[in-house]
Amino acid sequence: SQQGEEDPQALSIQEGENATMNCSYKTSINNLQWYRQNSGRGLVHLILIRSNEREKHSGRLRVTLDTSKKSSSLLITASRAADTASYFCATDAESGGFKTIFGAGTRLFVKA
Amino acid sequence: EAQVTQNPRYLITVTGKKLTVTCSQNMNHEYMSWYRQDPGLGLRQIYYSMNVEVTDKGDVPEGYKVSRKEKRNFPLILESPSPNQTSLYFCASSLSGTGWAHEQYFGPGTRLTVT
Repeated sequence: SQQGEEDPQALSIQEGENATMNCSYKTSINNLQWYRQNSGRGLVHLILIRSNEREKHSGRLRVTLDTSKKSSSLLITASRAADTASYFCATDAESGGFKTIFGAGTRLFVKA
Repeated sequence: EAQVTQNPRYLITVTGKKLTVTCSQNMNHEYMSWYRQDPGLGLRQIYYSMNVEVTDKGDVPEGYKVSRKEKRNFPLILESPSPNQTSLYFCASSLSGTGWAHEQYFGPGTRLTVT
């Protein structure tokens, strides 16, 4: 079951530009997380935002959550070549319980 | 160092030959989970465990077995592997019994090829 779906599927930008990725989901959630994956490696947690929060910051990362639109966005400011990676959102499942549902991810390429 | 370890990292096997991929965490986490990653499909949850002796199916459990006899270990067993189980597998752990309430820590991945 696909709960979170990222948009766009791929994004290519120049170093120094901002990158915005979006995640949409279908039903109410408890929280939403963003992860980063460098090619073929394990995922690394970036930010967790709870359903009663609207915005969170961590360094150059800014995450927003709009529960009325069932969507979240991840903004990376002043991107660097090292930000090149795939980014995934993850939520609890539509059916509730203890499952975790990941989206298909956005592949970000930052050109130096 | 807090970490999730998986072994082996790479495995090539033949159809029908039973195999086990081990996963271990040293953070005393309650929640552990297995995912598979296929191109264009993101991560799909296979099985998860909320605590010792408590496991449940994820979205793609067919062809897999798990057990949680100790808190630190969560092996993934393929009793009779088939080519459609060729994939990149990740083990993850999280502090609480719900995988979505806290960040998950991921292992480095196991690339499995079934011929």
